[in-house]
Amino acid sequence: NAGVMQNPRHLVRRRGQEARLRCSPMKGHSHVYWYRQLPEEGLKFMVYLQKENIIDESGMPKERFSAEFPKEGPSILRIQQVVRGDSAAYFCASSPLQGQGEAFFGQGTRLTVV
Amino acid sequence: TQLLEQSPQFLSIQEGENLTVYCNSSSVFSSLQWYRQEPGEGPVLLVTVVTGGEVKKLKRLTFQFGDARKDSSLHITAAQPGDTGLYLCAGARTGGGNKLTFGTGTQLKVEL
Repeated sequence: NAGVMQNPRHLVRRRGQEARLRCSPMKGHSHVYWYRQLPEEGLKFMVYLQKENIIDESGMPKERFSAEFPKEGPSILRIQQVVRGDSAAYFCASSPLQGQGEAFFGQGTRLTVV
Repeated sequence: TQLLEQSPQFLSIQEGENLTVYCNSSSVFSSLQWYRQEPGEGPVLLVTVVTGGEVKKLKRLTFQFGDARKDSSLHITAAQPGDTGLYLCAGARTGGGNKLTFGTGTQLKVEL
């Protein structure tokens, strides 16, 4: 999973600030997925993107969260006005165009809101 | 609603023992993946199974997909301390791309 690059690995934000998490998929992968892992909870799907398109955002909170995957550059997960409950590990995964369900994960960004 | 239930939730065994982890659902999946996750790291893909009844082996690990594609199992033979970690099953549905529904996880600890 070293091919999926996420940065930063650790991010500390004060309540009310914005958090920007970046994900570069594996070479040749055009599908990106974001997942959130809250303390003591499992991985939960947030959003599925292809280049310049949001395919499925059914797991995204209705407010303050947004995601994009531009034509050039990494995918960005943006959290505005962070609150303590946003503290979690955020993982990005990518898969090739013709996959069988497998997705390859990055090492995650651990967001701490203080 | 947790669609994929794993059991056991925690497992602590001695080196050399065998173990089986189960992943059950009432839903049908087009494919099922098993991942292992270490503290502070992302999940690492171990295997993908796509055909009902399929069995795949990866050294001492044997993965099986149920005939109805609703459940799966992971069997480890002669466990070693290096097998310690969080094991996660995850299912993908037809038409969902590779969007995954993750299981509840099994935390395995193998002691010397």
